[in-house]
Amino acid sequence: GENVEQHPSTLSVQEGDSAVIKCTYSDSASNYFPWYKQELGKRPQLIIDIRSNVGEKKDQRIAVTLNKTAKHFSLHITETQPEDSAVYFCAARRGISSGSARQLTFGSGTQLTVLP
Amino acid sequence: NAGVTQTPKFQVLKTGQSMTLQCAQDMNHEYMSWYRQDPGMGLRLIHYSVGAGITDQGEVPNGYNVSRSTTEDFPLRLLSAAPSQTSVYFCASSPHTSRRQSSYNEQFFGPGTRLTVL
Repeated sequence: GENVEQHPSTLSVQEGDSAVIKCTYSDSASNYFPWYKQELGKRPQLIIDIRSNVGEKKDQRIAVTLNKTAKHFSLHITETQPEDSAVYFCAARRGISSGSARQLTFGSGTQLTVLP
Repeated sequence: NAGVTQTPKFQVLKTGQSMTLQCAQDMNHEYMSWYRQDPGMGLRLIHYSVGAGITDQGEVPNGYNVSRSTTEDFPLRLLSAAPSQTSVYFCASSPHTSRRQSSYNEQFFGPGTRLTVL
């Protein structure tokens, strides 16, 4: 099955700096890669996702890049703010044509702390 | 829409007790799933369902049962609770599972149930 590794497990940055979180996946049939943000005591919520037919996607201060050859994808947050402090999870999912259901395999999470 | 709802929010059990965690969604989603979240281990899939009457095992199914008699509800049953099942449990749903569907859909999570087994 799919295995997703996420690094680092904790990340502290100064407010205004950039943060980068990296994930690698093992299943070459995976073609959908979402990122979820989970604030303390809350549910995970989707912040951005990317499909395997594109290499980069941006949404304001957040961007995700994908390298299919190397099987890794990264989350980039620019101009970080204290409200960006949370746990971030990456995930991977195989395509429907591969015969599997819509199962997400999650990374172990990164605790991001933005210091004021 | 209420989205995905879960009850209870908190539960304390004694070893060997059984209970059912409830999950419901009002978005007419076909796909529903249960995850457990443990520190440093991310979200691990317990069971999932691609539609009413269809369920399958995920990564960590032992000790749990599910059923899907309606599109809306997907309860998770703990048969004989063990301390290793102390965790936060999240239910999630997603719109489409059809092979014809080419779009990729967000999973919507419920608020979670914090379970402690003594």
